[in-house]
Amino acid sequence: DAKTTQPNSMESNEEEPVHLPCNHSTISGTDYIHWYRQLPSQGPEYVIHGLTSNVNNRMASLAIAEDRKSSTLILHRATLRDAAVYYCILSPPWGAQKLVFGQGTRLTINP
Amino acid sequence: DGGITQSPKYLFRKEGQNVTLSCEQNLNHDAMYWYRQDPGQGLRLIYYSQIVNDFQKGDIAEGYSVSREKKESFPLTVTSAQKNPTAFYLCASRGTYEEVGGLADTQYFGPGTRLTVL
Repeated sequence: DAKTTQPNSMESNEEEPVHLPCNHSTISGTDYIHWYRQLPSQGPEYVIHGLTSNVNNRMASLAIAEDRKSSTLILHRATLRDAAVYYCILSPPWGAQKLVFGQGTRLTINP
Repeated sequence: DGGITQSPKYLFRKEGQNVTLSCEQNLNHDAMYWYRQDPGQGLRLIYYSQIVNDFQKGDIAEGYSVSREKKESFPLTVTSAQKNPTAFYLCASRGTYEEVGGLADTQYFGPGTRLTVL
């Protein structure tokens, strides 16, 4: 399984943008980049995913490098409710979608 | 409301006892998954099932067993053979998520069961 590397922790202030990086230098040509987040004592929830082009949805934006070896999850205006562990995961579009969760990035939002 | 339910939220058992964790979904999803999470760690896959009456081992299946007799249900049994069963257990099902730009094939997680073996 292709591996991702994320910083252990990041800190930001409320109402400011947050950029969460993810390196995936061994990504295959067909792997999708998925982001999930996990609030304390809850199950993870889907945030966004993409293949090659940048993606936007109601929760966040995903910026994917041209060589696909890295990506950045962007929270445009962080709130206290965005404090969570964010996981960057690679998965092919076929098969059982066995997600491999690393340790993720623990995001702290200061009021 | 559609979703995944896991019960109970907290579970205590004595060492050497088998225990079964419940996972039910009314999302009409075919695929279901069980993960284990230890403190400060990411999730690890125990078992998964892509269709009724079929399931496969994940990365850490030893000491666990599952069944998939109904589409809605995927119970996990933690047996006495599991050396360190105390953990947070999460169940998920896989389906499509409608969002701007199309559909996302994603996993939906339940609230989890925190198992403590004394």
